[in-house]
Amino acid sequence: QKEVEQDPGPLSVPEGAIVSLNCTYSNSAFQYFMWYRQYSRKGPELLMYTYSSGNKEDGRFTAQVDKSSKYISLFIRDSQPSDSATYLCAIQRDTDSNYQLIWGAGTKLIIKP
Amino acid sequence: DTEVTQTPKHLVMGMTNKKSLKCEQHMGHRAMYWYKQKAKKPPELMFVYSYEKLSINESVPSRFSPECPNSSLLNLHLHALQPEDSALYLCASSPGTNTGELFFGEGSRLTVL
Repeated sequence: QKEVEQDPGPLSVPEGAIVSLNCTYSNSAFQYFMWYRQYSRKGPELLMYTYSSGNKEDGRFTAQVDKSSKYISLFIRDSQPSDSATYLCAIQRDTDSNYQLIWGAGTKLIIKP
Repeated sequence: DTEVTQTPKHLVMGMTNKKSLKCEQHMGHRAMYWYKQKAKKPPELMFVYSYEKLSINESVPSRFSPECPNSSLLNLHLHALQPEDSALYLCASSPGTNTGELFFGEGSRLTVL
């Protein structure tokens, strides 16, 4: 079993829709969760960084962690064509080794005008 | 605009060539990273420098040689590469080694003929 599972998609939705992107993980000890966005031919960009359970909101983006289910989500409201990109979840093993990020496969998101 | 600058953006080299990739950041970050990314795959960690010292080498072949001349600069020296080494090479930095907040450059796209 992989430590982090993420559906690679592609996920295609119409402009204005609410998008839900998800990852599952296997180790209940994980506490730090990240979402990165990567446009084609660019480096990843950190979108959201959350600790433990709960929600975190930033504009149209909401990150949610459900530790009981070992499930993390990224919601995008009022999706725009400019949101078309690959979204990667990443999990930090522990606070002493941030370089030990475990990456999901990345979900390719396409927002149709 | 990314605050991590990578040069060159594109590089084509033969298997007998020697070349270098360069990375620069002026955010005062103390940790710097090299990642390799193949198409439709997440980034793979290669090297980590913490306070200018190599702290992680993820079993990378010796034909890749990292160098950290100072806290702002990171180089990756390439020699006798193979066609399968063709990939996007990403540099990243972070404030310290206790956070998963990585700031990536746009990458250097390497093609080995």
